[in-house]
Amino acid sequence: QVQLVQSGAEVKKPGASVKVSCKASGYTFTSYGISWVRQAPGQGLEWMGWISAYNGNTNYAQKLQGRVTMTTDTSTSTAYMELRSLRSDDTAVYYCARDRSVGGLGWFDPWGQGTLVTVSS
Amino acid sequence: EIVMTQSPATLSVSPGERATLSCRASQSVSSNLAWYQQKPGQAPRLLIYGASTRATGIPARFSGSGSGTEFTLTISSLQSEDFAVYYCQQYNNWPVGFGQGTKVEIK
Repeated sequence: QVQLVQSGAEVKKPGASVKVSCKASGYTFTSYGISWVRQAPGQGLEWMGWISAYNGNTNYAQKLQGRVTMTTDTSTSTAYMELRSLRSDDTAVYYCARDRSVGGLGWFDPWGQGTLVTVSS
Repeated sequence: EIVMTQSPATLSVSPGERATLSCRASQSVSSNLAWYQQKPGQAPRLLIYGASTRATGIPARFSGSGSGTEFTLTISSLQSEDFAVYYCQQYNNWPVGFGQGTKVEIK
């Protein structure tokens, strides 16, 4: 079955970086994109960006430009999201999700289980 | 940027009753709209895409309608497992975006 499995929870200090992984299985990785979505405690869903697993093209949310980098490793069917210069308001659960459009601009199915990133001094 | 607005913020419904959730886009998104269900401590789950197509395995009591700027998710007869938060998402334009969610709670 199609599945996305994310890396474990992280605790980081302000100013540090975090890199979350998302390993895909059950489908042809390069036929879809991966979007990243985060959810702060008790809040709604915030789209962070998208990467094509086919050619590595990306599209990032404007508010995160310059701090976020999304990459893929097609040899292991894994997507990565790195967020730098962490602040307390980056504390959230981070989700990866398969984007059903190869060019981006699709719906998300399925989702990974989520990775809690806590930023605290 | 397209702003998605959901209403109401909270909907109190008795089991077996019908629930109607609304989602409005600040400009047309055609039929490029999805609905997700999220339960506490879980990842969101796709319910509807293309405004009205149920995802694989989604019960027929869930239905979506609308196009352009006005969309509706209807749950025809609420079951205990349907009490959750529901989000709409537009994928017509970058950046894709979500509504703020509607919490469906037990009345």
